[in-house]
Amino acid sequence: DAGVIQSPRHEVTEMGQEVTLRCKPISGHDYLFWYRQTMMRGLELLIYFNNNVPIDDSGMPEDRFSAKMPNASFSTLKIQPSEPRDSAVYFCASSITQGNTEAFFGQGTRLTVV
Amino acid sequence: GDSVTQMEGPVTLSEEAFLTINCTYTATGYPSLFWYVQYPGEGLQLLLKATKADDKGSNKGFEATYRKETTSFHLEKGSVQVSDSAVYFCALSDRGTDKLIFGTGTRLQVFP
Repeated sequence: DAGVIQSPRHEVTEMGQEVTLRCKPISGHDYLFWYRQTMMRGLELLIYFNNNVPIDDSGMPEDRFSAKMPNASFSTLKIQPSEPRDSAVYFCASSITQGNTEAFFGQGTRLTVV
Repeated sequence: GDSVTQMEGPVTLSEEAFLTINCTYTATGYPSLFWYVQYPGEGLQLLLKATKADDKGSNKGFEATYRKETTSFHLEKGSVQVSDSAVYFCALSDRGTDKLIFGTGTRLQVFP
């Protein structure tokens, strides 16, 4: 398996534009996590899914953020409209059931909103 | 709710020095505990884990022991190398929800 695949690796966009980040989890994994990493706040859990169903979205900063998982092999994180303070590295991770198992991370999407 | 607190960095050491990075946690149940490492420009990867009290996780010379009485999971290595320079994250996984929560990360810099 190629691991967790995120796209794009880098995104530069203007304030007010819509941004969509994509993630393909490892086949057979039934948990998918979205994280945001910044210098100030470290690694924040935004939302996670189990079997394609959102379980906890309490980390989503505001209504401008939304995430979907239409099937077991694909998830999106959308920001609309984007703002400069959304600039960060966004990571997707997946794991199999049971909390004592390893989560595998993608390489992240570096988002810059200007 | 569940949380993880780890020491702020950067931690700066000379090669072959002893390393400790402190981590404490707050959880309602008995979580699994992890240390992840992030090298520049990459995602996080698992370094070691422990799933119950008094378990010791170890990998690549790093160790951490799950201490329920002090709610701690400190990372140690007896002799660091320049190649260990990275950011280290302590994390817990809630057994009831499988929610994976990370500390803020500690940057380690090792100089020759």
